[in-house]
Amino acid sequence: QVQLQESGPGLVKPSQTLSLTCTVSGGSITSGDYYWNWIRQSPGKGLEWIGYIYHTGTTSSKPSLKSRVTMSVDTSKNQLSLKLRFVTAADTAVYFCARARRGSGFYPYWGQGTLVTVSS
Amino acid sequence: DIQMTQSPSTLSASVGDRVTLTCRASQSIGKWLAWYQQKPGKAPKFLIYDASTLENGVPSRFSGSGSGTEFTLTITSLQPDDFATYYCQQYDSDSWTFGQGTKVEVK
Repeated sequence: QVQLQESGPGLVKPSQTLSLTCTVSGGSITSGDYYWNWIRQSPGKGLEWIGYIYHTGTTSSKPSLKSRVTMSVDTSKNQLSLKLRFVTAADTAVYFCARARRGSGFYPYWGQGTLVTVSS
Repeated sequence: DIQMTQSPSTLSASVGDRVTLTCRASQSIGKWLAWYQQKPGKAPKFLIYDASTLENGVPSRFSGSGSGTEFTLTITSLQPDDFATYYCQQYDSDSWTFGQGTKVEVK
């Protein structure tokens, strides 16, 4: 059974970069069968898809976030990473990583989520 | 982005009730809709995909229907474990979007 675990700082200052890692266990991130996604949840905006990355490094992001988002994979560590630049209070949310089957867009597997607060 | 609107925002019900939750898309999404259940402090739990296909292990009291722009999630005989918030999600377009959720609470 695949498991995903997010990690990273819980507090980020405005205008700085939010950096999170998702460690995958019970399955290889290099499997061509899956996309690896980042999703966030805030009280104001609900659940919001941020983007996905394929093991080859191919990415797709929500257009409104694309200019600030960088996603990457580290196949040696079986991890994916998210960087969100120039954060504001509106980026305060619980951030999840989730796996989607290739060719689909739904998420059978999620990490438990990590809260990131943007505040000075 | 395709907008997903769920109704009602909150539904009060009792154990044993049959409940129906609605999700509407701002444009046709075919059958490309999923449903999730979320409890406080937890990640969403995947229930249904392709509008009506139950994920393995999900109790058969859950069912989904609909296509195009209108979809429903029905829970027959509501159980204590079912009190939670339910979200729909479209995956028709390349920018996947969720509804704002329906909270099923104890009446």
